[in-house]
Amino acid sequence: EAQVTQNPRYLITVTGKKLTVTCSQNMNHEYMSWYRQDPGLGLRQIYYSMNVEVTDKGDVPEGYKVSRKEKRNFPLILESPSPNQTSLYFCASSLYPPGWGNQPQHFGDGTRLSIL
Amino acid sequence: KNEVEQSPQNLTAQEGEFITINCSYSVGISALHWLQQHPGGGIVSLFMLSSGKKKHGRLIATINIQEKHSSLHITASHPRDSAVYICARNQFYFGTGTSLTVIP
Repeated sequence: EAQVTQNPRYLITVTGKKLTVTCSQNMNHEYMSWYRQDPGLGLRQIYYSMNVEVTDKGDVPEGYKVSRKEKRNFPLILESPSPNQTSLYFCASSLYPPGWGNQPQHFGDGTRLSIL
Repeated sequence: KNEVEQSPQNLTAQEGEFITINCSYSVGISALHWLQQHPGGGIVSLFMLSSGKKKHGRLIATINIQEKHSSLHITASHPRDSAVYICARNQFYFGTGTSLTVIP
C-alpha cells in the first residue's frame, strides 16, 4: 500500500530536549516536505526536499533541521525544542514538486507535538 | 496575508442537507486542490482542478478561473462527511480550513 509513515504520532517533551520525527514514503517520490498546522493559520511549509541531498527552507524553517540521505526518508529534527513549536506536524510526498504536473501530495497521519 | 480564503470557517448541517464550501484565491493558479482532514487523522486529497468541474460520488468541485473562486459541494450529507476541508492553491498556499459537522 502506498503510504507516508510518520513516527511518533504523539509526543510530549520538555524544552531543550532534542527530538526527531521520522518520515518515510514507499512510492519512490522525489519531492518531500514538512508542514506544521496551527489553529487559524492553515498548513505552513517548514522545509522541503527536491531529491536526495537537496533540501531548502520553506516559510517557517526557524528552529528546525532536516536531512535527505535516502530517497524514502526525510526526518525533521528539533535540536532545542521550545514551546512555540507545539503544533501538529505533517510530512508529505509527491512524485514532482507542487506545480510541476500537479501530482497530488500524499500526507502522513500527522505528529502531535507538545513542548512543555 | 493568506492568499487563500475559505468560507465558512465552521459549518453545522443536518444529515441529508446540501453543503457548499467556498474558496477564493488572489493570484493565478496551475491547480486548485481540495483536501479532507478527519479528526485525529491525516490529510487526503479529494480533488485537483484547473478548470471546470469534477465529481466523485457525492462530492462535486467546481472552479471559476476568471473569478478566482472554487466551491466544494456535498450532496446528501452524512455524519461520516464530518471533517475539515482545506483548499490549496498549487499545493503551496493552504486555506485555514472549513470545519464541517453533520448531525444525524
